[in-house]
Amino acid sequence: LAKTTQPISMDSYEGQEVNITCSHNNIATNDYITWYQQFPSQGPRFIIQGYKTKVTNEVASLFIPADRKSSTLSLPRVSLSDTAVYYCLVLSGNTPLVFGKGTRLSVIA
Amino acid sequence: EAQVTQNPRYLITVTGKKLTVTCSQNMNHEYMSWYRQDPGLGLRQIYYSMNVEVTDKGDVPEGYKVSRKEKRNFPLILESPSPNQTSLYFCASSSRGLRQPQHFGDGTRLSIL
Repeated sequence: LAKTTQPISMDSYEGQEVNITCSHNNIATNDYITWYQQFPSQGPRFIIQGYKTKVTNEVASLFIPADRKSSTLSLPRVSLSDTAVYYCLVLSGNTPLVFGKGTRLSVIA
Repeated sequence: EAQVTQNPRYLITVTGKKLTVTCSQNMNHEYMSWYRQDPGLGLRQIYYSMNVEVTDKGDVPEGYKVSRKEKRNFPLILESPSPNQTSLYFCASSSRGLRQPQHFGDGTRLSIL
């Protein structure tokens, strides 16, 4: 099971682009990368998922280099409401999801 | 509205008094699971179910039971709760397994005295 490492916390000003990088050095060939967002006292919410290169949706972009040993979640023009904990997970078959400590993003006005 | 509903949202009870936390989803999802979230430990999976009458242990199943008699419901049962089961619990569902986005409920905060 691929272990993930991401920064404990990040700060950003409103309107800036935020990039959160996650490393997963021992990711396996069939594994996917997925990101969740969690606000206090709420359940995690799916943001984006990808296998390689770039994936974009209405909320974020996910960049995955060719070696797939890391991935970067990009949040364009963050607002105060983006203050949350962001989790990077590696999906490996049907093994249980492993949510680490995540990255606590604080957006400042 | 598509949602995962947990009840109760908050419960304070005493050691040894059996309790059930209900979870219901209205999305016709096959896969359902339970997590607990503790400070410094992240979310850990307790049990999961791939479909009706199919359940399996997650990372921390001790002290918990589940059942999946209907597709929409996946109750979590604590037969004899203990203080170390004080935690924030989340139920989640997805259309098919872990590769699909998981939809989480709003959580149940349990305090076992």
